[in-house]
Amino acid sequence: GQNIDQPTEMTATEGAIVQINCTYQTSGFNGLFWYQQHAGEAPTFLSYNVLDGLEEKGRFSSFLSRSKGYSYLLLKELQMKDSASYLCAVRGNTDKLIFGTGTRLQVFP
Amino acid sequence: SQTIHQWPATLVQPVGSPLSLECTVEGTSNPNLYWYRQAAGRGLQLLFYSVGIGQISSEVPQNLSASRPQDRQFILSSKKLLLSDSGFYLCAWTYGMEETQYFGPGTRLLVL
Repeated sequence: GQNIDQPTEMTATEGAIVQINCTYQTSGFNGLFWYQQHAGEAPTFLSYNVLDGLEEKGRFSSFLSRSKGYSYLLLKELQMKDSASYLCAVRGNTDKLIFGTGTRLQVFP
Repeated sequence: SQTIHQWPATLVQPVGSPLSLECTVEGTSNPNLYWYRQAAGRGLQLLFYSVGIGQISSEVPQNLSASRPQDRQFILSSKKLLLSDSGFYLCAWTYGMEETQYFGPGTRLLVL
């Protein structure tokens, strides 16, 4: 079967660094996506990885290891506005994305 | 630039009533289009996707249906709503070489 696993909830302090992990088992692999979703809003695209390694975009970085079926999203210099759910999604052999259930991150002052 | 619209933004409907949600995309042609549902506290569930006019693939058998009457229009319908149809309905389209999915603002549906 196809499966995406993420922690359900995480907490962190403003200014800190947090790493959100995602493991996947899918039929084929054609890219991994991270989305941010604030409560009551639609998901917004954060990052895309298709090759092994780290992709950096400002305070956010995403890492992929295809051999381990593993990715993480790294958030640096946390701000209160980073409190949101973070969704990991994988494209397998089709045009469809398989989404994890998301990790709810709460940032405290 | 490309934009995606959904309406209505919120909807309260009685059980057994019909449903029609609309999604339109601007600034692109022949996009792949997707309908998702997100129940409260749950993940995204893919309902339908379309690679072209009149081409609909259903992911989950249920009382919902989808249609694509025009290239940039995707409609989600139901003849009789169930309580379990309540949720946040999101339309998405793919763009770019990576075929990233971008989401519309969503429609929050409450069935009473």
